Amino acid sequence: DAGVIQSPRHEVTEMGQEVTLRCKPISGHNSLFWYRQTMMRGLELLIYFNNNVPIDDSGMPEDRFSAKMPNASFSTLKIQPSEPRDSAVYFCASSFLPSGNNEQFFGPGTRLTVL
Amino acid sequence: AQTVTQSQPEMSVQEAETVTLSCTYDTSESNYYLFWYKQPPSRQMILVIRQEAYKQQNATENRFSVNFQKAAKSFSLKISDSQLGDTAMYFCAFMKHEAMEYGNKLVFGAGTILRVKS
Repeated sequence: DAGVIQSPRHEVTEMGQEVTLRCKPISGHNSLFWYRQTMMRGLELLIYFNNNVPIDDSGMPEDRFSAKMPNASFSTLKIQPSEPRDSAVYFCASSFLPSGNNEQFFGPGTRLTVL
Repeated sequence: AQTVTQSQPEMSVQEAETVTLSCTYDTSESNYYLFWYKQPPSRQMILVIRQEAYKQQNATENRFSVNFQKAAKSFSLKISDSQLGDTAMYFCAFMKHEAMEYGNKLVFGAGTILRVKS
């Protein structure tokens, strides 16, 4: 199994530009999570989907952020327009629920730098 | 809302020695899961160990074990026979046990940087 795949691994952009982060969950998993990691706020959940439906988006910071999951094998997190304070590592994780262990499998993350 | 506190920003240990990382949490839930994740310099998040709150027995995974004190809301991680490859950031995390068919989020602590010295 290839694990959770995220692209790009690194993204450098200028303030005001649109940024799209991509995630392919593990095949067969039905839940997908987007987390953000910063020095100031640590690791925090942005949004999660179950069976492609957004369940909890209370962590999405503002309207500049949007996430979609058009099918079971693909999700995007878009920031438009981007700002320097969006610089962070963005993780995608997937799991199969309900399950006995509730483990979330993380992708390698996308390091975003907004200049 | 649940909170997770890791009071040790950094720790160091000699190779082959034992080290304990602390974690406390605050919740009104009676049933939940607790996790320790490891994040090495590669930044990959790796699950180290998991504990179900309804289980009294402490979880163990090879050199890793936990001391789960439900009444005290404490969940420490003990690493025995520390190895250089254990050098990483360690995160304690909490997950509610409800509506599992809809998934649930992990609430993370701030992390503890562990350095294993040779």
